[in-house]
Amino acid sequence: GAVVSQHPSRVICKSGTSVKIECRSLDFQATTMFWYRQFPKKSLMLMATSNEGSKATYEQGVEKDKFLINHASLTLSTLTVTSAHPEDSSFYICSARGELRNTDTQYFGPGTRLTVL
Amino acid sequence: GQNIDQPTEMTATEGAIVQINCTYQTSGFNGLFWYQQHAGEAPTFLSYNVLDGLEEKGRFSSFLSRSKGYSYLLLKELQMKDSASYLCAVRSWGNSGGYQKVTFGTGTKLQVIP
Repeated sequence: GAVVSQHPSRVICKSGTSVKIECRSLDFQATTMFWYRQFPKKSLMLMATSNEGSKATYEQGVEKDKFLINHASLTLSTLTVTSAHPEDSSFYICSARGELRNTDTQYFGPGTRLTVL
Repeated sequence: GQNIDQPTEMTATEGAIVQINCTYQTSGFNGLFWYQQHAGEAPTFLSYNVLDGLEEKGRFSSFLSRSKGYSYLLLKELQMKDSASYLCAVRSWGNSGGYQKVTFGTGTKLQVIP
């Protein structure tokens, strides 16, 4: 079964609005959560890494004021796309790192498809 | 920086064996993952290697050589449902230390034909 959930799975919003995406680890405590963005037929692009209780580390070129990340607990991280514009339309995927069945690995959520009109 | 290379596309026959290679260059290496991703879906975890050698899981095996910066994913007894993209991903320590990040290759699109 799924070990990482993501909500919502799909969202359509108007330009200028903000959208919050939640990522939850279901069967384990995630010491670190990652947020990725994927364009059609492209690989995953890491946006930021967040550790519980501390500020996220953003990759070069990712605007931290536009993509707000909060990692409030060991099972929940949120990504807020502020003042979304059509170019922010993409597939956003979170992943959570933790120990599951004695294996240190990284599991992905099902992704959120954001469409900004 | 990091550099991860894998073939863009591969085609193989149902029932056969296919090997997907991945080479990488990174500092602070701390593990290599293989993921399967079907179109329009998020990746699913296949394997993780942090020590040299072969890890076998059913029809899938993954090999790592840290000294050579090389890994491969081996798929046996191919099935039509194995048609997907296979992503190689390398975990390493961040530039400022204290955190780790995972960088993905561009993926290998595997097509399994009858």
